[in-house]
Amino acid sequence: DAGITQSPRYKITETGRQVTLMCHQTWSHSYMFWYRQDLGHGLRLIYYSAAADITDKGEVPDGYVVSRSKTENFPLTLESATRSQTSVYFCASSTGFSSYEQYFGPGTRLTVT
Amino acid sequence: AQSVAQPEDQVNVAEGNPLTVKCTYSVSGNPYLFWYVQYPNRGLQFLLKYITGDNLVKGSYGFEAEFNKSQTSFHLKKPSALVSDSALYFCAVRDGDHDYKLSFGAGTTVTVRA
Repeated sequence: DAGITQSPRYKITETGRQVTLMCHQTWSHSYMFWYRQDLGHGLRLIYYSAAADITDKGEVPDGYVVSRSKTENFPLTLESATRSQTSVYFCASSTGFSSYEQYFGPGTRLTVT
Repeated sequence: AQSVAQPEDQVNVAEGNPLTVKCTYSVSGNPYLFWYVQYPNRGLQFLLKYITGDNLVKGSYGFEAEFNKSQTSFHLKKPSALVSDSALYFCAVRDGDHDYKLSFGAGTTVTVRA
């Protein structure tokens, strides 16, 4: 039972570079989410998706792009990385709307130099 | 709009003592409330949730939480804390009537000393 995986687990990149964080889930959950975790802010929602080819902005979407061509994958791309995007990124999935909890991946620690 | 407040950045308790982590929420619709725990260098793990029904909810690892609608609170409790409960705890809320997005509090670091 692989669950939800993220890659890479750690990434160092330079300002201005494009970087893509991968998220893969094996449960066929409809809903997927990207969060960033920063000290003092808890988790903030970047983007979310209700199904393949359906995505929407969360609380802090600027500088990020997502796609969801397949149900199981939800990559997050930083088009031109900035130092303010240094953070820990978590992907999550949920089986449905309403009362269902979200299940989280192990996270990707991204450092932008 | 929805939001969560965790008024304590840190909670320190001795092993064997009761543990309480506080959470208050604001939501326009019907509140769906969740608690998650995060151990160092790990993702968040689901502990428990309140959707409807009994105000006292029991979850994993001996944790429970009490929903109080009049005080808009959802405090997490454990009768007897263990050293292994030391972790970062997050409360989260969703507007159950309108949205599936979760809003998280800033987190509370719990330290249980032996």
